[in-house]
Formats: sequence, structure tokens, C-alpha cells
Amino acid sequence: DAGVIQSPRHEVTEMGQEVTLRCKPISGHDYLFWYRQTMMRGLELLIYFNNNVPIDDSGMPEDRFSAKMPNASFSTLKIQPSEPRDSAVYFCASSFQAYSNQPQHFGDGTRLSIL
Amino acid sequence: RKEVEQDPGPFNVPEGATVAFNCTYSNSASQSFFWYRQDCRKEPKLLMSVYSSGNEDGRFTAQLNRASQYISLLIRDSKLSDSATYLCVVNPNDYKLSFGAGTTVTVRA
Repeated sequence: DAGVIQSPRHEVTEMGQEVTLRCKPISGHDYLFWYRQTMMRGLELLIYFNNNVPIDDSGMPEDRFSAKMPNASFSTLKIQPSEPRDSAVYFCASSFQAYSNQPQHFGDGTRLSIL
Repeated sequence: RKEVEQDPGPFNVPEGATVAFNCTYSNSASQSFFWYRQDCRKEPKLLMSVYSSGNEDGRFTAQLNRASQYISLLIRDSKLSDSATYLCVVNPNDYKLSFGAGTTVTVRA
């Protein structure tokens, strides 16, 4: 079975540019999560969706970050304008939450470098 | 206080040794607990869920102590391939997970 698919795997861009990260969750999963991981702060939850609806975006650092989930098989995380401090690994994860004790399955991540 | 706290290590052990480490969590209402493994520059992967009665998966044993609010992981007969960062993960409410910062284990030949 295909896991969570993220693209691109690596992104290097200059400060001020718009960055769009993409995620395809596991088919049938009804929850989708976006995380950011840095050495200093570890793994941080940015936002999560249930049935394509954003439920909690309290982890989104500022207005430069936005996320959408137009359908059950696709989500984007956008940063505009990007800044060097946004450099991190961004993970997308999905889960099937018929019961709340289900684990999350992570994609390979997007390694983002803002110059 | 962080929701999940772990000893960052590193734990450096020889092959064949047993290594164990804990994590503590702050929310007594937490219902679900997991150990994830993360290799360098890779995504976190589920290692095992942690059940109230404790559970084993091969060389790995997980324990949950609700009274003291800690979870433990024990690795027996360590292999070189066990070298990784182990993330303690707690579900403090229904759908969000709280991740510890990770415990690094290095198994040497």
C-alpha cells in the first residue's frame, strides 16, 4: 500500500519567495497533520484537518503560513513570503481515527532551505 | 512544563546489551501512548503502541505506569540497526499527539 506521499523532497529557495509543500495522505485516512521539525524545537504540530476541514491551526507560526485541503487526497502548506527561519523539515502525517488511539503515519518529509 | 519529557541521552551501548529509558507525561487524562523511531534525516515511524498491561514486540518491551505518569521502553539484545532516536508520543486529547524530543540510542560493535 502507498504511504503518505510528500513533494518536493527537497526545496531550496531564496528568502521572500513563495513555497508550496504538497501531501497525499493514505487512502481512507480521515485526519491529516502538518508538522515542522528543527533541531532547536523538535517536532511541532502546525495544523490538522478532519475530513478536509481545518480543526486546529494554533501551531501555525504566523500569517505567512497557510494550509488547505481541497479534497480527501490532497493538501498543501504554503509559506509566503518565506524567511530563513522557516528552514526545517516539514512532515505530513495521516491517520484513521475511528478510534482516538490510532497512530499517525508520516511521509518522507520535505527538507526546506530558505537562503 | 512540557507535555512529554524524555532523557535525550545519548545512550551508547555495545551490541547485545540491554538498554532502557523512560519518558514522563504531564496530562493525567492521556489515553494513548506510542513509541516512534526516527533515523537520521528520516521520518518518524511507529515502533509500537503502549498498552496499560505492558506489551512486547520481539526484543522491545514497553511499559506504562499511569500512577507515576511515565512510559518506558526496553530493548534487549541490542543490534547495530537499533541505533536511532526514539520518540515518546502521548495522546493528551482525542486527535492530537504530543511528541517528546527523543532519546538517542547508539549501539556500537
